[in-house]
Amino acid sequence: EIALTQSPGTLSLSPGERATLSCRASQGVSSRYLAWYQQKPGQAPRLLIYDASSRATGIPDRFSGSGSGTDFTLTISRLEPEDFAVYYCQQYGSSPLTFGQGTKVEIK
Amino acid sequence: QVQLVQSGPEVKKPGASVKVSCKASGYTFTNYIITWVRQAPGQGLEWMGWISAYNGNTNYAQNFQDRVTLTRDTSTSTAYMEVRSLRSDDTAVYYCARDSQSWGQKLVFDVWGQGTLVTVSS
Repeated sequence: EIALTQSPGTLSLSPGERATLSCRASQGVSSRYLAWYQQKPGQAPRLLIYDASSRATGIPDRFSGSGSGTDFTLTISRLEPEDFAVYYCQQYGSSPLTFGQGTKVEIK
Repeated sequence: QVQLVQSGPEVKKPGASVKVSCKASGYTFTNYIITWVRQAPGQGLEWMGWISAYNGNTNYAQNFQDRVTLTRDTSTSTAYMEVRSLRSDDTAVYYCARDSQSWGQKLVFDVWGQGTLVTVSS
């Protein structure tokens, strides 16, 4: 089973700032099969990024993903008020599917 | 529009079973895999398993393969998740979600149900 470790646990930033979130895998994720989701309180997760760097339909271009192997990054170039949420990475290169424990992006 | 609508909240006693439904609309149900993910209060996401809406094939996470059964009814475009022998640590919001790729197995999920809170308490 591939374990995903996200860092930091909490990121305190102001609107307009850049957010950089990390997701590290315990072993290589094949074919860059890594996704990122956003979750707001009381809501279901929302797909942002798949295949490490492809934006899902309707996702603004301020969200970008990068990485390969064991190290992946989600970058939000300029935080908007609606971007303050919890972000999860998920690998789908091998079974079982696994999620990271999440990074909370909060308003500073 | 494409959506998944889940059944309402449940309160169960330890040892009981619960069956949660997930009704699909706005797309061809049998073209996609449906997965189930749960989230304990204040915790992260935990994958439980998936079912092919086309042929009913399933794949379960090891933690759930003895107590969870995934089924589907193509006549009503509804997927079901049943958990048996409930324990207090099964208290969670249970989500169904659709694979983003039709006729495939990408296992990235672009449409989610609203979630169903299952509370297990004596």
